[in-house]
Amino acid sequence: DTGVSQDPRHKITKRGQNVTFRCDPISEHNRLYWYRQTLGQGPEFLTYFQNEAQLEKSRLLSDRFSAERPKGSFSTLEIQRTEQGDSAMYLCASSLDRGQGSYEQYFGPGTRLTVT
Amino acid sequence: KQEVTQIPAALSVPEGENLVLNCSFTDSAIYNLQWFRQDPGKGLTSLLLIQSSQREQTSGRLNASLDKSSGRSTLYIAASQPGDSATYLCAPVANFGNEKLTFGTGTRLTIIP
Repeated sequence: DTGVSQDPRHKITKRGQNVTFRCDPISEHNRLYWYRQTLGQGPEFLTYFQNEAQLEKSRLLSDRFSAERPKGSFSTLEIQRTEQGDSAMYLCASSLDRGQGSYEQYFGPGTRLTVT
Repeated sequence: KQEVTQIPAALSVPEGENLVLNCSFTDSAIYNLQWFRQDPGKGLTSLLLIQSSQREQTSGRLNASLDKSSGRSTLYIAASQPGDSATYLCAPVANFGNEKLTFGTGTRLTIIP
């Protein structure tokens, strides 16, 4: 399987706990994105990386959220002190910057977080 | 701030019919636009990417058009099948070097066998 993978697929946690999600992009894709989707809504952009550099962060990404892509391959998204409002599907996507202006993004299956 | 609207929010059509899904966006200075489908509880599957210099893009039974000046894109599905039932989302990209996608709430399509 050469698509984007995410782990875990489902996470149930209690309010106040920390959680970490992992995303493995398509091999050789140098751009990686995180989005969040709540029920009935379209995904909302959180942050993205070009290789290991985090280039943009949404104001949705409060100081309880941190994302890393230490070696320019997989990425992790950590949420500290989870709140019930963090319950959502967290989606990862990747794309390849060939310098030719075509940046089709490919999404993973998502991690569904439920905070009780 | 880019805002994306998709109308209708839900659509049901009999199998075999051709149909059009609409997408409008407020900021016409976009770099490209991507159409996705999403099955319940799943991730997004990319359908088509239209560059700002293109007017349309085709893949199989799907054809997407883009009119930047009016801030509109349409997705045409020919000879619909029950397997086409899903939520369809469009997402414009702001500009070169800022590739975040902005999504609307999508159109939930049901094909009736």
